[in-house]
Amino acid sequence: DAGITQSPRHKVTETGTPVTLRCHQTENHRYMYWYRQDPGHGLRLIHYSYGVKDTDKGEVSDGYSVSRSKTEDFLLTLESATSSQTSVYFCAISGGMVNTEAFFGQGTRLTVV
Amino acid sequence: QQQVKQSPQSLIVQKGGIPIINCAYENTAFDYFPWYQQFPGKGPALLIAIRPDVSEKKEGRFTISFNKSAKQFSLHIMDSQPGDSATYFCAAGNNNDMRFGAGTRLTVKP
Repeated sequence: DAGITQSPRHKVTETGTPVTLRCHQTENHRYMYWYRQDPGHGLRLIHYSYGVKDTDKGEVSDGYSVSRSKTEDFLLTLESATSSQTSVYFCAISGGMVNTEAFFGQGTRLTVV
Repeated sequence: QQQVKQSPQSLIVQKGGIPIINCAYENTAFDYFPWYQQFPGKGPALLIAIRPDVSEKKEGRFTISFNKSAKQFSLHIMDSQPGDSATYFCAAGNNNDMRFGAGTRLTVKP
């Protein structure tokens, strides 16, 4: 998967708890993205980063925050998990803006109970 | 409001058939139209992509047809094989705004 590692791969958490998902890349790509995948919605962009400490909101950013302190790591945090955030989360990387190929990780299945 | 509408939701064809998946978009600023293939338990992988300055692009058995005036594009899979069974997503984007369709689950029967 193009040098992208997501952790954990599976997580079950309780409503109201904070959760952090990690994306690690070995490709030295500038752009990193977090998507969520839900049936009937395809993939929806949560946040993205265009460099160290440079991030911006995507289509469905409410309830999520991100941080990028190193080129290779992009963290997604659910401040206070809700059942509506049960989803499969994918990290993606690309060398340029969206008009270039994006490589996806294998996903993290998060269940909020 | 879904900016990229994909149909059908699911599709079953016989081996050798030509499945066609259609997408329509709304934002005329979109200038990049990729198709992604996803197998169960895996992340999506880029299959083929097109830009609006051409009406068709072929890569192996996969063809994208693009109609800029209608704001529609489609994926054709020639001589489909059971190994093509997967979920296919169309997408449309510009700069860092990429919108995905809801996906089509394709089954190719032997």
